[in-house]
Amino acid sequence: GNSVTQMEGPVTLSEEAFLTINCTYTATGYPSLFWYVQYPGEGLQLLLKATKADDKGSNKGFEATYRKETTSFHLEKGSVQVSDSAVYFCALSSGNTPLVFGKGTRLSVIA
Amino acid sequence: KAGVTQTPRYLIKTRGQQVTLSCSPISGHRSVSWYQQTPGQGLQFLFEYFSETQRNKGNFPGRFSGRQFSNSRSEMNVSTLELGDSALYLCASSLVSTGQETQYFGPGTRLLVL
Repeated sequence: GNSVTQMEGPVTLSEEAFLTINCTYTATGYPSLFWYVQYPGEGLQLLLKATKADDKGSNKGFEATYRKETTSFHLEKGSVQVSDSAVYFCALSSGNTPLVFGKGTRLSVIA
Repeated sequence: KAGVTQTPRYLIKTRGQQVTLSCSPISGHRSVSWYQQTPGQGLQFLFEYFSETQRNKGNFPGRFSGRQFSNSRSEMNVSTLELGDSALYLCASSLVSTGQETQYFGPGTRLLVL
């Protein structure tokens, strides 16, 4: 079945540091890949998505590239801010299957 | 456009009781999915409704049920509550029921079972 593995947190970075959160997946067919973010006390917000191989999703300075050959969708940001502190979830959906999420990575950015 | 709304936002119940949670999707969205989020199990899919029909169901006991109305609003019901049902219940809506559609999440209902 479909599954997502993302790096365990927590991740603590200083402001303006480079961020990478690794995500790899196993899926049948051609999945769509997503990154969602959850701020404290809130629901999930879509951060970015990619629907086919080599697509790059980007939003608010975050980027992720759909790599079919390595079955990966790593999240990157060149310079994090304190306001980026949140939990980040990698997810996939294939065909008519529901979203499958990774366990989440908690990011703390300190000034 | 208004986002996905969920009511109530917080709920405290005791073991054995039942609870009904409500979700109003984004206007025009016909698919509604429900997820349970706990620290131990993470985000787990409960079920999905599209045009008043259940399309997918996760691996949860029959105590968890749902329905969708003709205006796409959805409710989920949990009967005979157990302590382990304490969780954040998230509802998500999308235009249609396909894997490529983006799901938009509500703020969740936080349920505490005592």
